[in-house]
Amino acid sequence: GQQLNQSPQSMFIQEGEDVSMNCTSSSIFNTWLWYKQDPGEGPVLLIALYKAGELTSNGRLTAQFGITRKDSFLNISASIPSDVGIYFCAGQVDTGNQFYFGTGTSLTVIP
Amino acid sequence: NAGVTQTPKFRILKIGQSMTLQCTQDMNHNYMYWYRQDPGMGLKLIYYSVGAGITDKGEVPNGYNVSRSTTEDFPLRLELAAPSQTSVYFCASILTLGYEQYFGPGTRLTVT
Repeated sequence: GQQLNQSPQSMFIQEGEDVSMNCTSSSIFNTWLWYKQDPGEGPVLLIALYKAGELTSNGRLTAQFGITRKDSFLNISASIPSDVGIYFCAGQVDTGNQFYFGTGTSLTVIP
Repeated sequence: NAGVTQTPKFRILKIGQSMTLQCTQDMNHNYMYWYRQDPGMGLKLIYYSVGAGITDKGEVPNGYNVSRSTTEDFPLRLELAAPSQTSVYFCASILTLGYEQYFGPGTRLTVT
């Protein structure tokens, strides 16, 4: 299957700090998605990207679809305690109906 | 709309037992998916369906079966449970490609 490498694996930050995480693939994707998962819940979509170079914001979250179509970045500005959770990237290849998920970035925000 | 619902929430199976994980969506979505999530890992696709009567294998289909007789329901069947199938199972659906994927709350399965 497709390999999505997500980094970092975990982050411990102070409240108010900015956060950056990224995802890289060995294959070209035509869709990149970023999800947040709280303990005991299913993932919830944060941002969807459909075009190479696209930069999209959702409140304090900003994500970019890499120009090469093999990577994506998620930034969270001015983190708050409720940002705690696991963030997953997911991609969809150029053809086919499958979504592939990264291994996740666990974010801890220290008040 | 209830969205995507999954039952049961938790289940413990003995090795060799069988069970069906239920998934239902009330959004009239065409595409439905079954994923498993092992501890500290991302989601791996087991099976998916692009519409009633059509199913296809994902990355990790071995040991599972699915059916899609209606648009709403997409049950996942484990015939001979093995410890390697201990995981959290998520069902998801989307209207069509390019739209948001909605996830159910998950089923936590332990096989001992």
